[in-house]
Amino acid sequence: QKEVEQDPGPLSVPEGAIVSLNCTYSNSAFQYFMWYRQYSRKGPELLMYTYSSGNKEDGRFTAQVDKSSKYISLFIRDSQPSDSATYLCAMSEDDSWGKLQFGAGTQVVVTP
Amino acid sequence: DSGVTQTPKHLITATGQRVTLRCSPRSGDLSVYWYQQSLDQGLQFLIQYYNGEERAKGNILERFSAQQFPDLHSELNLSSLELGDSALYFCASSVAPNRDKQYFGPGTRLTVT
Repeated sequence: QKEVEQDPGPLSVPEGAIVSLNCTYSNSAFQYFMWYRQYSRKGPELLMYTYSSGNKEDGRFTAQVDKSSKYISLFIRDSQPSDSATYLCAMSEDDSWGKLQFGAGTQVVVTP
Repeated sequence: DSGVTQTPKHLITATGQRVTLRCSPRSGDLSVYWYQQSLDQGLQFLIQYYNGEERAKGNILERFSAQQFPDLHSELNLSSLELGDSALYFCASSVAPNRDKQYFGPGTRLTVT
């Protein structure tokens, strides 16, 4: 079993809807939680990171971490066709972010 | 454009061969990371360098090696290639060695036939 589980999708939503993405993990030592966006044929791009539990908001994006349930979420409000991409969660035990454990990625398609 | 450059963009080679992938970090970034992305394994961290020194090691095979040069560019060497090594190889860079946003390059697509 992988340390980080993420549904690969695809997840198709109409423009303007809320996109809800999540990952579960098994390693209770993870403390840093990230969300990356990867467009087709491009490298990943860091969207948000959170340390320990709690919520973090940045524009249309909200990240939530529930360490007690080993569950993290990313919400995208007012989704746009330009949000169509693969979203990867990633986690690290310490601040050496190089040793990130990535989820498989969820493909999101926002239809006009 | 992240500012990280990788060459070549595509590489096709045969089993048993050796290849070198090159990465130039963003100007001012001292840390370089290498990742492998394949359909079955997803994105996996291979190795990190900071200012010329190895900083962290992930799931890097013994057939693979890397180094960071004084001008901060980095090379990933893959030898005795196998079909299963076919993947996208990404380089990323950051200023600090830890807790710092990584900027990913466009990747090198390696196909082993």
